[in-house]
Formats: sequence, C-alpha cells, structure tokens
Amino acid sequence: AQSVTQLDSHVSVSEGTPVLLRCNYSSSYSPSLFWYVQHPNKGLQLLLKYTSAATLVKGINGFEAEFKKSETSFHLTKPSAHMSDAAEYFCVVSVAALIFGKGTTLSVSS
Amino acid sequence: DVKVTQSSRYLVKRTGEKVFLECVQDMDHENMFWYRQDPGLGLRLIYFSYDVKMKEKGDIPEGYSVSREKKERFSLILESASTNQTSMYLCASSPPGTANYGYTFGSGTRLTVV
Repeated sequence: AQSVTQLDSHVSVSEGTPVLLRCNYSSSYSPSLFWYVQHPNKGLQLLLKYTSAATLVKGINGFEAEFKKSETSFHLTKPSAHMSDAAEYFCVVSVAALIFGKGTTLSVSS
Repeated sequence: DVKVTQSSRYLVKRTGEKVFLECVQDMDHENMFWYRQDPGLGLRLIYFSYDVKMKEKGDIPEGYSVSREKKERFSLILESASTNQTSMYLCASSPPGTANYGYTFGSGTRLTVV
C-alpha cells in the first residue's frame, strides 16, 4: 500500500535559519507527491507537487522539495525561515485519492 | 475563483442524532472527497466519489455514509453520531486524474458531538 511518513511531528527553527521537513514515501511505482500547508485556523494550501518531471520542485513562498527515488524521500526545504512560515505541513501521496501524512508543525522563533 | 463550500463552519449535535454535512463545488469537478482531520493524525479519507451516484470507501468509512445525487454536491452522513466522531471535516474536489492535480478544499466543518 502507498503511504507517506513524516519523520518529525514538530520542528522548531529560528527566523533566518534553514528549514527541513522530512518525508519518506512508500510506493510500488513512481508516485505523485505533494506538500500542503495549513496555517492556524486557515484552509489547506498546495505548496508544491511532483509528478515525474524534474526531481527538484519549486513551490510557493520559497519552498522546494527534492524527489529522491533511491532514498524514497521527498523532503521539504527553505533556505531562510520567516515568522509567517509557522504552520502545519503535510506530505501527501496520490493513489486513488490523496493520502496525507500525519503532519509536521513548524515553529519559528525570532 | 473556484470554490468548495461547506454549509456549516461549526456544528454541535447530540449522540445518536443523524447528521448531514453538505459540500458544494462550482468547478464542474468529477471527483469529490470527504476527510476528517484530527490532531496528530493528519487527514484521513472517509469516502470519495468519481461521479454522480458513485462512491468508494476510504480508509475510515465506518459509521459514515455518503450521497452524490448531483455532480456539484457531495453529502457526508453520520447515521448515528457518536462522541468519537467529534472532528474537523474537510470536503475537497478535483478534476479527473488526481496524479497531476492538487485538490481544492473547503474551509471545513468543525463537528462536536455531545
């Protein structure tokens, strides 16, 4: 069965430092993968998606993710965190429907 | 702007009540989905539908049913509400071929069963 595992339930960074949110996937074939973000009391927003084109995917707000088949990973990164990045992030794999990971809460301190 | 509208933002229901959660989309999307979101568990798929009068079970269908009589409307039904169904419920829609598209999500219905 296809699934995603978010390796950290909570990540804390300081403003201006890099962000790394880790996600491993399990799939019997080349998957489509997404990252979604949910700010407090807001709806879900698509950050970026991988659909078997370039392995390095750029998203909104300076985020990017790299698909690594050998490591079955799709980690989300950002070079410099901003206070407004504080939110919950979901790694998602597409099967018959979107299957969500359990989420990583990103905290950003000043 | 495309929209998925959930009829209620907050609902409080009593144990044993039959509860209807309504979702309407204006994008002429074939696919519609119901998820529940709980802290630490992410979003879990309850049911989805590829077309009118079609439905497929997701990962946690027990205690729920759905209805899709029109393309734009997808209803989630709690046959006999229980306290463990207290949750945030999210509806979503997409065109065919979910592999290449994200979903459009509604704002959610926060259901409390007392």
